[in-house]
Amino acid sequence: RKEVEQDPGPFNVPEGATVAFNCTYSNSASQSFFWYRQDCRKEPKLLMSVYSSGNEDGRFTAQLNRASQYISLLIRDSKLSDSATYLCVVNRVDNNNDMRFGAGTRLTVKP
Amino acid sequence: EPEVTQTPSHQVTQMGQEVILRCVPISNHLYFYWYRQILGQKVEFLVSFYNNEISEKSEIFDDQFSVERPDGSNFTLKIRSTKLEDSAMYFCASSVALRDTQYFGPGTRLTVL
Repeated sequence: RKEVEQDPGPFNVPEGATVAFNCTYSNSASQSFFWYRQDCRKEPKLLMSVYSSGNEDGRFTAQLNRASQYISLLIRDSKLSDSATYLCVVNRVDNNNDMRFGAGTRLTVKP
Repeated sequence: EPEVTQTPSHQVTQMGQEVILRCVPISNHLYFYWYRQILGQKVEFLVSFYNNEISEKSEIFDDQFSVERPDGSNFTLKIRSTKLEDSAMYFCASSVALRDTQYFGPGTRLTVL
């Protein structure tokens, strides 16, 4: 099983749609979780951290299910500018500095 | 807003040559990292650095790689004898604390011919 696994997509949705991404991780003791977005040929940029209680930032909602080792990202009312690759990132507990990236889920929002 | 900077943005080199990639982390950050991303593939951890020493490295970070913090601001990645498969985007990142958010620089695209 991959350490961090994501559906690669692509997800092609119309503007205004709601879209959800899922991510699973293999190490049950992992403690820090993040969603980053990456535009083509650019650096990853933090979208949001993911907390056990779930968290929301405007149109974006992140959820963590430790029992199922599963993280989700929900985007509501999607905009053209949301088109990017969304990266699920998990820390490795046996090395606290070592963040593991999923391969990313590609989203294209169309007019 | 403070940001991580990297130079050069693009480096082209011949196989077997040494390259040094440079990074200036965010000034109050204590942890520094290098990652690479081969075109079309995922971001891969190379090495982390804290208190002037390597704290962790991946299996990719072999003897051909080294890191250094030569002064109070720069953080460098050296590849001693580049191979074709070293062609990738190299990202530097920094964070304030362990397991804290890592902020990425814009990357250096390395092309080995």
